[in-house]
Amino acid sequence: GENVEQHPSTLSVQEGDSAVIKCTYSDSASNYFPWYKQELGKRPQLIIDIRSNVGEKKDQRIAVTLNKTAKHFSLHITETQPEDSAVYFCASRGGNKLVFGAGTILRVKS
Amino acid sequence: NAGVTQTPKFRILKIGQSMTLQCTQDMNHNYMYWYRQDPGMGLKLIYYSVGAGITDKGEVPNGYNVSRSTTEDFPLRLELAAPSQTSVYFCASSYPQAGGPYSYNEQFFGPGTRLTVL
Repeated sequence: GENVEQHPSTLSVQEGDSAVIKCTYSDSASNYFPWYKQELGKRPQLIIDIRSNVGEKKDQRIAVTLNKTAKHFSLHITETQPEDSAVYFCASRGGNKLVFGAGTILRVKS
Repeated sequence: NAGVTQTPKFRILKIGQSMTLQCTQDMNHNYMYWYRQDPGMGLKLIYYSVGAGITDKGEVPNGYNVSRSTTEDFPLRLELAAPSQTSVYFCASSYPQAGGPYSYNEQFFGPGTRLTVL
């Protein structure tokens, strides 16, 4: 079945710097790659997603890139703010199911 | 719309007890999912359903059962609770893959149930 690896497990950045989180997937048939943000004690919420026929997608300070050949995708957050501090999960869809990465704890220091 | 709701929010069980975690959605989503999230870990799929009367196993189904008699409800049953089932349980729902395999289909999560088995 699908396997998703996410790196790094923790990431500390200074406010205003950029943050990059990377994920790799194993199933070449996977076609949809969402990113979820989970604040402490809260539910995961979708922040951006990309499908396999698109290479890049942006939404204000957030962007996602996809390299189908290498089977990896990345989340880029620019001009980080303290409210960006949270756990971020990547996921890959195979069939009807999402497989999640283990998560990245992002800390933005002000 | 209330979205995805879950009850209870918290529960403490003794080893060997049973309970049902309730999940309801009012978005008319066909697809529903149960995940568990252990401390510091990602989300593991327990069971999912693509419609009323249809359920299927995920990555970690042992020790759990589900049923789907209506579109709105997807209860998760724990039989003979064990300490290894201590976790936060999230229910989620989404539309089916309308538009083919390249559609987006965001999963909407409930607030979670924090379960401790002692």
